[in-house]
Amino acid sequence: GAGVSQSPRYKVAKRGQDVALRCDPISGHVSLFWYQQALGQGPEFLTYFQNEAQLDKSGLPSDRFFAERPEGSVSTLKIQRTQQEDSAVYLCASSLARQGAGQPQHFGDGTRLSIL
Amino acid sequence: GQNIDQPTEMTATEGAIVQINCTYQTSGFNGLFWYQQHAGEAPTFLSYNVLDGLEEKGRFSSFLSRSKGYSYLLLKELQMKDSASYLCAVREPSGNTPLVFGKGTRLSVIA
Repeated sequence: GAGVSQSPRYKVAKRGQDVALRCDPISGHVSLFWYQQALGQGPEFLTYFQNEAQLDKSGLPSDRFFAERPEGSVSTLKIQRTQQEDSAVYLCASSLARQGAGQPQHFGDGTRLSIL
Repeated sequence: GQNIDQPTEMTATEGAIVQINCTYQTSGFNGLFWYQQHAGEAPTFLSYNVLDGLEEKGRFSSFLSRSKGYSYLLLKELQMKDSASYLCAVREPSGNTPLVFGKGTRLSVIA
């Protein structure tokens, strides 16, 4: 399909390990967003790219979280020295970048991360 | 600060109409979105309002009052497959910026 693709769908890691989560946005979408969704909650913003430029990373909870999008397409969210509170679903979304337009963000199915 | 409120849970009967309310207090406003999210799946876009009034799209309609900081999503002719979480999200000014989501309303449709 032509939707946003995330991998892996599920990731189990031991506390202290590093993890990397991948997002393939819809082809041609300039903007890419990462959100964290805890159980029973709405998504919370982590970081945002326009092409390869990271325009906002104010939502990253700590310096253990790092995101990149080196060629303006695929993005990776990396979490170092994972902790139990990092357990959540990590959602990636992409959209066309049109100033002021009601362009919706299209979401992937997310990566469910469990830290033991 | 940013605050988006919606009811946590609602139950409605198959074939009926249900209204899910959302109130927001944000530092700016550049549009309100409604998403549907089935358990374990991606949120999917339902509607967008930036001007006051009602937007209708099939069985789903969404209303916005900017002066009241209020929106609702109206679902008609409810079907069992409409059982899902419904997320209200506000986009703050300056173009294609991130969305601020409410906690979502879990709707259960019963026979």
